[in-house]
Parts: sequence; structure tokens; C-alpha cells
Amino acid sequence: AQSVAQPEDQVNVAEGNPLTVKCTYSVSGNPYLFWYVQYPNRGLQFLLKYITGDNLVKGSYGFEAEFNKSQTSFHLKKPSALVSDSALYFCAVRGNTNAGKSTFGDGTTLTVKP
Amino acid sequence: DAGITQSPRYKITETGRQVTLMCHQTWSHSYMFWYRQDLGHGLRLIYYSAAADITDKGEVPDGYVVSRSKTENFPLTLESATRSQTSVYFCAGSPRNATEAFFGQGTRLTVV
Repeated sequence: AQSVAQPEDQVNVAEGNPLTVKCTYSVSGNPYLFWYVQYPNRGLQFLLKYITGDNLVKGSYGFEAEFNKSQTSFHLKKPSALVSDSALYFCAVRGNTNAGKSTFGDGTTLTVKP
Repeated sequence: DAGITQSPRYKITETGRQVTLMCHQTWSHSYMFWYRQDLGHGLRLIYYSAAADITDKGEVPDGYVVSRSKTENFPLTLESATRSQTSVYFCAGSPRNATEAFFGQGTRLTVV
């Protein structure tokens, strides 16, 4: 079985400050890890992924995430938050042998205040 | 987004009625998925398909039926709608051997 935990329902940061959205996972085999963002009344949009290689992955809109195998974590980060980053963020995982089927976390609402 | 079109965008139906949500893709993704999104539950996988004529159950398949006679279409049918199936439904696609999924805009279904 595979699972994802996003321990924070809500994250609030001030514009210009760094942000972190947390994600931990459990999976059999090597993990494929993803972050998606959802704006109101829209579908999910892919941000970034970790498949193999460098533990620090960079994605769209200045976001990055660090894969930590020992802590089974894949936290999303951005050095300087923008008000436009305010959205719902989902972490997802699947095992490399579990073709196609990703498991999503419950989501974290990020609010960036001016 | 990325070639996944869902219809209708909004639907209200009565308990007990059959309703079909449509999903069409223009990118020939091998994999297609149906998820439902509910507050406090994130996205839960209903059904998925690895190719035409190949479908399999996800986490919450009860009360739903899918078919995939053509690669580009993956309709989801609620055989007898219940209030608990009120949700936002997302269709997604993913190319073979790729990893990330591309999502449609969603269908907001209300069962009254």
C-alpha cells in the first residue's frame, strides 16, 4: 500500500518570505513523487517531480522540492513567496512498480498575504 | 488542460438516476484516470485504464462503471446516483511510461 501525509491543512506566509509545504510518504519500492497545484475551479496542474537522481528538484514558478529518503519526505519550497502562489497544493506518490496509480495527499491550502 | 476535456462542467441530478460524465483526450495518453475530490479527502482514485479495453478499480469504485472502447474517451457512469456521490470529478491522462498526470477542468456533480 502507498500513502501520503500532508500534516498541515493550511500554511500562511507573508509575501517575500520563504515557504515550505510538507509532505511525507510511504510506498513499496522506489518512490515517484509529485507536487500539483490547484487554483479555484480548476483542475490540478503539475509542478514538479522526483523520479531519480539529484535529491533537489526544480519545477515551475520557482518552486523546488527536496527528496529525503531517510525521512521519507518530499517538502515543497520556494525562497520568496508571491501572493499569486496562494492555492491548494497536493503531494502525490506512487511506487515504481505500481503503474499509473498515484496516491494523493489531502492537500494544503497556501495563503500568501501582502 | 493538456488535452483533457470533461463534460459537463456542472451537473445536478436526482437520487437514483443514471448519469454519465464524459472525458475526452486529444493527446493519445495511454493511461487515463477518474478521481473524485471531496473536502478532507483529497483526491481518491475511482477507476483507471492502462489502454483501450483495459480498466481496473481504484480506491473507491463502488457505484461507478467505466468503459474505454477508444483510446481517446473514458466515460464514467454512476449507475444509480446517491447523495454521497456529490463531488467534484476529475479525469486525468498520462502517457505510457511517463509519470505525471494531466488533469481536466473537472465536473461538479450534485445529487439531490
